Amino acid sequence: DAKTTQPTSMDCAEGRAANLPCNHSTISGNEYVYWYRQIHSQGPQYIIHGLKNNETNEMASLIITEDRKSSTLILPHATLRDTAVYYCIAGNKLVFGAGTILRVKS
Amino acid sequence: DTGVSQNPRHKITKRGQNVTFRCDPISEHNRLYWYRQTLGQGPEFLTYFQNEAQLEKSRLLSDRFSAERPKGSFSTLEIQRTEQGDSAMYLCASSLAWWGGTDTQYFGPGTRLTVL
Repeated sequence: DAKTTQPTSMDCAEGRAANLPCNHSTISGNEYVYWYRQIHSQGPQYIIHGLKNNETNEMASLIITEDRKSSTLILPHATLRDTAVYYCIAGNKLVFGAGTILRVKS
Repeated sequence: DTGVSQNPRHKITKRGQNVTFRCDPISEHNRLYWYRQTLGQGPEFLTYFQNEAQLEKSRLLSDRFSAERPKGSFSTLEIQRTEQGDSAMYLCASSLAWWGGTDTQYFGPGTRLTVL
């Protein structure tokens, strides 16, 4: 499983797009990129995953670079309830790092 | 479709006691995972089952820990002779996975264990 690097924390204004970057330069060709988030004292929540193509669902969009060495999770209109720790995982086994603390501010 | 449920949600015990946690996965999910999470850290993998077979155990899973999934549905995690270092959130996740495909895991709310 590839190691991932994420910023420790980010701030975002309510109603604006939140763009969370992740580097996974050692990802293998058959390894997926998964994003989860964890709101304080709750279990992690699945957001989205992808292999090569960009993906979108009702929660977010996932943009994966052509070389697959990095990706960006986009929350199109962040709300206060999106404040959480966001984990980027590259691999076919969930190995959680420290994640990015996203604070959405009014 | 109900999500993953875990019971109890909170458990306080004294050092040296045994505790058992239960996880009910999403119906028809064939894989079930256990993780442990301490304060300020991401979840750490403990073990997982494919149906009733326990296929992998982390070295974090000492011999005081045992997990079962007897009929391939719910699972239990038992900790014997608890220690203060066992205090953590214990998370369960389930997935519907096939070899070579994706394995999207859905997590329960966790059981918070406090060992006094």
